[in-house]
Amino acid sequence: GENVEQHPSTLSVQEGDSAVIKCTYSDSASNYFPWYKQELGKRPQLIIDIRSNVGEKKDQRIAVTLNKTAKHFSLHITETQPEDSAVYFCAARNTGNQFYFGTGTSLTVIP
Amino acid sequence: DAGVIQSPRHEVTEMGQEVTLRCKPISGHDYLFWYRQTMMRGLELLIYFNNNVPIDDSGMPEDRFSAKMPNASFSTLKIQPSEPRDSAVYFCASSRRTPSTTEAFFGQGTRLTVV
Repeated sequence: GENVEQHPSTLSVQEGDSAVIKCTYSDSASNYFPWYKQELGKRPQLIIDIRSNVGEKKDQRIAVTLNKTAKHFSLHITETQPEDSAVYFCAARNTGNQFYFGTGTSLTVIP
Repeated sequence: DAGVIQSPRHEVTEMGQEVTLRCKPISGHDYLFWYRQTMMRGLELLIYFNNNVPIDDSGMPEDRFSAKMPNASFSTLKIQPSEPRDSAVYFCASSRRTPSTTEAFFGQGTRLTVV
């Protein structure tokens, strides 16, 4: 099955700085890579996603990059704000439509 | 649509008791997933269904866990007998696989505490 690894497990940045979270996956047939944000006590919610036929996608302050050859994908948050503090999960969806998640990154933005 | 609905939101039970978690997926979604979230392991996929049929239950930790989906709008995850190490947040998620809509939508989760 698919194996998704995520780093770092915790990340602290100063407000206004950038944050980068990296993930790797093992199944080269995986074709869809969503990122979820989970605030304390709430459900994970999609913030951005990328398909395997695209190398980069941007939505305001967040962007995701995908390197299919290396099986890496990353989340970039620029101009971080305190409300960005949360746990972020990467995921890979395989051809069977199973979603496999990374172990999460707890991001703290220090005002 | 109200989204994925799970019940109960919180459950506290004694070790050895049976626990049943419930999920109503988003109408029209043909995939349903059960996840367990703990600090140590993150989000673990337990089992998923496609068109009410269990496709992969390899993530179910042991025989004490079972899941059913009797129809397109309802699924249960049962633990019998429950143990303290089952304490976690259990999420149900659903998705509809089309060329344009592929994300998994999560319910609010059930926080299970086994004492």
